[in-house]
Amino acid sequence: TQLLEQSPQFLSIQEGENLTVYCNSSSVFSSLQWYRQEPGEGPVLLVTVVTGGEVKKLKRLTFQFGDARKDSSLHITAAQPGDTGLYLCAGGTNFGNEKLTFGTGTRLTIIP
Amino acid sequence: DSGVTQTPKHLITATGQRVTLRCSPRSGDLSVYWYQQSLDQGLQFLIQYYNGEERAKGNILERFSAQQFPDLHSELNLSSLELGDSALYFCASRSGNTIYFGEGSWLTVV
Repeated sequence: TQLLEQSPQFLSIQEGENLTVYCNSSSVFSSLQWYRQEPGEGPVLLVTVVTGGEVKKLKRLTFQFGDARKDSSLHITAAQPGDTGLYLCAGGTNFGNEKLTFGTGTRLTIIP
Repeated sequence: DSGVTQTPKHLITATGQRVTLRCSPRSGDLSVYWYQQSLDQGLQFLIQYYNGEERAKGNILERFSAQQFPDLHSELNLSSLELGDSALYFCASRSGNTIYFGEGSWLTVV
């Protein structure tokens, strides 16, 4: 069974601080996606990375896929209250395939 | 709004009962996925259909079944419900390489 462990599980920081969330696995994935989920809603895709070592930036969010395609990180610069939510990484074994394995989740709270 | 519609949004039922959750994918999307999200198990893939046919199967119990109809909407049937089946059930559809999730159906088994 493929497992994706996220750390930290919970994170509460002040507005304006930086943070990094990690997603680790012993399995190789062909793609890695990051989602954000807010209460009462389904997960929303933020980014997909497919190449080992790939770095993608989405405004203040920077996503990196590990060289071995087993891990990923999400870095947020100057966090804002609107960044609050549950962040989920998800690994795919065939790019574009739908059988995603989701991580354990990181619940992020940004304090104004 | 993801364009994926799920009903009902909330459902409370007793153990041993059977329920049906309904999903309408985004217009034009042929694939439908079902996921279960619970506090202890996280988000788990259950099953996927593509244009009416089962495409992939995950950790779906034998008490659960699903189908996709010619109009592409899908139903997830949960039977002989147990307390542990209480969870948020998501439907999703795929457009290109992006999977869009609905808002979920919250099932509480009492």
